[in-house]
Amino acid sequence: AQSVAQPEDQVNVAEGNPLTVKCTYSVSGNPYLFWYVQYPNRGLQFLLKYITGDNLVKGSYGFEAEFNKSQTSFHLKKPSALVSDSALYFCAVRDIGGGGNKLTFGTGTQLKVEL
Amino acid sequence: DTAVSQTPKYLVTQMGNDKSIKCEQNLGHDTMYWYKQDSKKFLKIMFSYNNKELIINETVPNRFSPKSPDKAHLNLHINSLELGDSAVYFCASSQDVSGKSYGYTFGSGTRLTVV
Repeated sequence: AQSVAQPEDQVNVAEGNPLTVKCTYSVSGNPYLFWYVQYPNRGLQFLLKYITGDNLVKGSYGFEAEFNKSQTSFHLKKPSALVSDSALYFCAVRDIGGGGNKLTFGTGTQLKVEL
Repeated sequence: DTAVSQTPKYLVTQMGNDKSIKCEQNLGHDTMYWYKQDSKKFLKIMFSYNNKELIINETVPNRFSPKSPDKAHLNLHINSLELGDSAVYFCASSQDVSGKSYGYTFGSGTRLTVV
């Protein structure tokens, strides 16, 4: 079974400071990894993905994530947080063994950026 | 607008009733999904269809029945609604190109409340 873990339920950051939202994964083969963001009462929006290639992936709204195979991690980062970044962030891994294109999501991390 | 659209956005109904949620995508994707997000924001896949064919059917009560009349539509019918069915239901779609996944596009969700 494929799984993803987000160890922090909530991350608090001051505006202008760098932020990191952690994610670790477990797969049997090569992972396809994704980050999504959910604003209140909204659907999930795609931020970025890692399939192959460079370990540092750049995405929407200035976010980036670093794929680390040895640590089985895919942490989401942003150099300078904005109050508008406050939202619920989900890490997801593609389960290529189960047929189809199924994504398994982590439990989500609530990011709160304060002035 | 190109999107995944779900109707209704809100649904309040009594226990024991039967209800349907509709989903349509105009992105030309081959695969569609239903996810359930519970009160703790945990996302769990329910079903997936590829070109009208059921490919993923997680452990979901058989009161839930998906129907895909064509690859652009995936509806969810729920019989004999129970209090525990209260959740936000998200429809999503995706397209694989040459074995590469480009992630999901999500609808804005249907908030189902069973009273």
